[in-house]
Amino acid sequence: EVQLLESGGGLVQRGESLRISCASPGLILSNYAMNWLRQAPGKGLEWVSGISGSGDDTYYADSVKGRFTISRDNSRNTVYLQMNSLRAEDTAVYYCATRSNAFNMWGQGTMVTVSS
Amino acid sequence: EIVMTQSPGTLSVSPGERATLSCRASQSVSSTLAWYQQKPAQAPRLLIYGASTRATGIPARFSGSGSGTEFTLTISSLQSEDFAVYYCQQYYNWPLTFGGGTKVEIK
Repeated sequence: EVQLLESGGGLVQRGESLRISCASPGLILSNYAMNWLRQAPGKGLEWVSGISGSGDDTYYADSVKGRFTISRDNSRNTVYLQMNSLRAEDTAVYYCATRSNAFNMWGQGTMVTVSS
Repeated sequence: EIVMTQSPGTLSVSPGERATLSCRASQSVSSTLAWYQQKPAQAPRLLIYGASTRATGIPARFSGSGSGTEFTLTISSLQSEDFAVYYCQQYYNWPLTFGGGTKVEIK
């Protein structure tokens, strides 16, 4: 069964912004540290960003630091990834995932395409 | 950054045979190592964490071993549904990093 639902992906121009979301119909996301990962077409997995359950602690890959912001609204049971100054190399399927130690549960992903 | 290296890149195996996948870390990650399975057009699925603990619902034919810098995922008797790409990942420190993957294909 689908536990995590990503949304908000789409086609944007280089330099533009996009916000993607991760919600769950069945999980209380505030109980979990949440992460965003991505997979470029035909490539491997890359961790992008993480946030603690309270939202007090955030982490970023060097490739997105200063451009992407992870946040959460526990009242809406939703986690966000604000992506600014998008580049062609940000084109990927973006997954949200819970993390206790490893990435335990994954969504089905949302595609972000950055056109140059 | 800890670099994870998987080998081989592709493994050709007949159904019912054993498959052995390797993962090496550029520095010790203790036992903070996970394995994932990914099938085409699907999200990854956690198989193993803590180097050797199977995740919920994962069949016993999947086993993980190793610690420090050398790790192995073994599939004891390959089933048709096991042909996929497998990734290792360390969660010893930030940034969390993945290996490049091993594709297990039908021989």
